[in-house]
Amino acid sequence: DSGVTQTPKHLITATGQRVTLRCSPRSGDLSVYWYQQSLDQGLQFLIQYYNGEERAKGNILERFSAQQFPDLHSELNLSSLELGDSALYFCASSPGTSATDTQYFGPGTRLTVL
Amino acid sequence: AQTVTQSQPEMSVQEAETVTLSCTYDTSESDYYLFWYKQPPSRQMILVIRQEAYKQQNATENRFSVNFQKAAKSFSLKISDSQLGDAAMYFCAYRTPYNNNDMRFGAGTRLTVKP
Repeated sequence: DSGVTQTPKHLITATGQRVTLRCSPRSGDLSVYWYQQSLDQGLQFLIQYYNGEERAKGNILERFSAQQFPDLHSELNLSSLELGDSALYFCASSPGTSATDTQYFGPGTRLTVL
Repeated sequence: AQTVTQSQPEMSVQEAETVTLSCTYDTSESDYYLFWYKQPPSRQMILVIRQEAYKQQNATENRFSVNFQKAAKSFSLKISDSQLGDAAMYFCAYRTPYNNNDMRFGAGTRLTVKP
């Protein structure tokens, strides 16, 4: 158990809908990262937050957004969902923003868009 | 752009034997970090081992060790005394402070352990 929690474990929805994925980092970690794992794109970094502020952006679509709250939990919002958004979405956390920090991954949320 | 290549989509090893998973990366940076993550059927991503580019000594974690060849941009993972629980997808990853700190992953190698 990495100490990172994600809810829900599974999510099934329809095209055009909007969903919210939630992540709670390990105790003491200030950075949260979101990743998407799909069959065709592999594992891709989406976005990083540090202590409530957006820190880095990767291959995140404009239909997707995220935020980190004062209690450090984070939410990833996916809107106008398409079939291709079906994937496993991981959250990871680390103590700070250094490249040396180890990222600890949560169990993931499996999103299925029908 | 930094890329990570795992040229072996699948590998197989006999229980108690040794297996080596390959990884190469492309970068022009001098400061970076390399990781191997394991993803068992449970889908959880688990850190196996990490290597700092400035360190010449190869990292070791129990039965797991790496062969880091900086000039060749190669970072292979050796698993000794393979166990059934080692069966998983293994991902090589690269991270540098010069590119948003984001982690770049290879496509993965599926390791099967035969009893």
